[in-house]
Amino acid sequence: AQSVAQPEDQVNVAEGNPLTVKCTYSVSGNPYLFWYVQYPNRGLQFLLKYITGDNLVKGSYGFEAEFNKSQTSFHLKKPSALVSDSALYFCAVRNTGFQKLVFGTGTRLLVSP
Amino acid sequence: NAGVTQTPKFQVLKTGQSMTLQCAQDMNHEYMSWYRQDPGMGLRLIHYSVGAGITDQGEVPNGYNVSRSTTEDFPLRLLSAAPSQTSVYFCASSRTGTSGPGSSYNEQFFGPGTRLTVL
Repeated sequence: AQSVAQPEDQVNVAEGNPLTVKCTYSVSGNPYLFWYVQYPNRGLQFLLKYITGDNLVKGSYGFEAEFNKSQTSFHLKKPSALVSDSALYFCAVRNTGFQKLVFGTGTRLLVSP
Repeated sequence: NAGVTQTPKFQVLKTGQSMTLQCAQDMNHEYMSWYRQDPGMGLRLIHYSVGAGITDQGEVPNGYNVSRSTTEDFPLRLLSAAPSQTSVYFCASSRTGTSGPGSSYNEQFFGPGTRLTVL
């Protein structure tokens, strides 16, 4: 069965510093990996996805994620955090041929001025 | 495009009452799904549909019914509300490919959510 782990409930970072939000996954076959962001009282917004090709994927708002097959990880990164990046971030995985998208429990990112 | 819309935004029910959460999308997406979001548990799939007339169960289907009579609409029915169904409910939709990988790698678009409290 597919599963996603986000080991950190919260990540704190100062504005201007790099940020990393961790995600590891378990899936049979090739994984399709997604990151979503949720701002307060809003629905989830798509940030980026990995399907195939380059292991470094670039997405919205300056975010990027690195796919590491040997470590089964898909960590979200940004070189310089903004206070406005403060939100709840979800990693999700789906495998080939299946529609079901399995989400992690979410990581709250808090960027301080 | 309005995207994915959900009504109502807030709802309070008493135990045993029934209600329907509405979801509509105007993007001609074949795939639609319902999730519930609970603290510390992320999003869990309730039911999903790959097209009009086709529905299937997700991780937590008990106590919920769905139907898909049109491509645009995917209502979620609570038959007899229970306090355990207090949650935030999200509807989502996405394109599907003809088959295989094309049906799996399209990102989902989410509605704004319905916050449901069952007393």
